[in-house]
Amino acid sequence: EAAVTQSPRSKVAVTGGKVTLSCHQTNNHDYMYWYRQDTGHGLRLIHYSYVADSTEKGDIPDGYKASRPSQENFSLILELASLSQTAVYFCASRTNAEQFFGPGTRLTVL
Amino acid sequence: GDSVTQTEGLVTVTEGLPVMLNCTYQTAYSDVAFFWYVQYLNEAPKLLLRSSTDNKRTEHQGFHATLHKSSSSFHLQKSSVQLSDSALYYCALSGASSGSWQLIFGSGTQLTVMP
Repeated sequence: EAAVTQSPRSKVAVTGGKVTLSCHQTNNHDYMYWYRQDTGHGLRLIHYSYVADSTEKGDIPDGYKASRPSQENFSLILELASLSQTAVYFCASRTNAEQFFGPGTRLTVL
Repeated sequence: GDSVTQTEGLVTVTEGLPVMLNCTYQTAYSDVAFFWYVQYLNEAPKLLLRSSTDNKRTEHQGFHATLHKSSSSFHLQKSSVQLSDSALYYCALSGASSGSWQLIFGSGTQLTVMP
């Protein structure tokens, strides 16, 4: 079965600090995605990538950067964390038929 | 742009009774696939159902859904719910319109099954 892992699983950050969330997949999938989950909003796409060294903006990219240094790894970077970025973040990779999600990272910005 | 609407944020059903979770959508493209994802507490979303064929019933784990393009709907149903069905359910679509084949999710419906 497809395997997507995320680290850390939870993090507390201070406002204005830098946060990096990491995602690793062992499925050889081209497409990878970062979503955030908020109650009442569902899952919203932040950034995605379909090839190493290239990233694309999703629906809510403001305040986030992404990096895809290899096919297996995809990071989400918050250069200046803000209170509004407190959420659960999910990484996913995709086959033609299905997206496979990682376990999520719970980020709390204080 | 494409969108998915789930009108019920919370649905509570007694064990053994039927349930239907509503999902409607808007899309300008015909080459689109539709999904139901289920997310149990503190877990990742997992695929429950997938369909891209109009008027064809799709079933998995006792749940079923039929895509109706005429009414732009992909409702999820189960004839007899179990306590273990309590979870957050997302309807989603994925199509060529986005270029990324990203999933566009509805806001989710929390299903609670009571004994």
